[in-house]
Amino acid sequence: SAVISQKPSRDICQRGTSLTIQCQVDSQVTMMFWYRQQPGQSLTLIATANQGSEATYESGFVIDKFPISRPNLTFSTLTVSNMSPEDSSIYLCSVEDGYSSSYNEQFFGPGTRLTVL
Amino acid sequence: AQTVTQSQPEMSVQEAETVTLSCTYDTSENNYYLFWYKQPPSRQMILVIRQEAYKQQNATENRFSVNFQKAAKSFSLKISDSQLGDTAMYFCAFMTTDSWGKLQFGAGTQVVVTP
Repeated sequence: SAVISQKPSRDICQRGTSLTIQCQVDSQVTMMFWYRQQPGQSLTLIATANQGSEATYESGFVIDKFPISRPNLTFSTLTVSNMSPEDSSIYLCSVEDGYSSSYNEQFFGPGTRLTVL
Repeated sequence: AQTVTQSQPEMSVQEAETVTLSCTYDTSENNYYLFWYKQPPSRQMILVIRQEAYKQQNATENRFSVNFQKAAKSFSLKISDSQLGDTAMYFCAFMTTDSWGKLQFGAGTQVVVTP
């Protein structure tokens, strides 16, 4: 199964600044996803990170606010731009491991807890 | 659009007892997958069990089993012989076969296992 790490694990940031979250997978994966979990809430998909092309964003999320990079099959970054307190959430990276599993399975990283003051 | 509803915000169960979590969903799709994920205080999302919609047989995974009622669009999770380590938030999730990785989650049910 895929092992996913995220950096940083947590951060406290000032409003108006930006934070880039890294997601590293120990194996090549076809699809990577970024989710947001607001305090006490469920997970909401932000975007799909595609290798070699632009990310695909879900309704309510835009590239200017959440730019994403996917330079190769094991790494992706999510930037939270011009942060406000409403961006305080846990951000989770997820991968669909279609290479190694007998059937496609979704794995999640440990999450990045972001607090914006 | 699909929706996933978990109507139980919190459930409490004693060790060794059984608890059942409910989940209903709404979709016009015929091919999809349903999942139960566990999120303990460590916040690591852990897959508990999955069910393919085309399979009539209910999935089981050790102490965890589901009751999948496709016509009723219901997907409940039964935790048998509850253990303290089962204390966590449990999320029901839905995914269509043409949207791999794009999970639609329910609001979650907090399960508390007491000694």
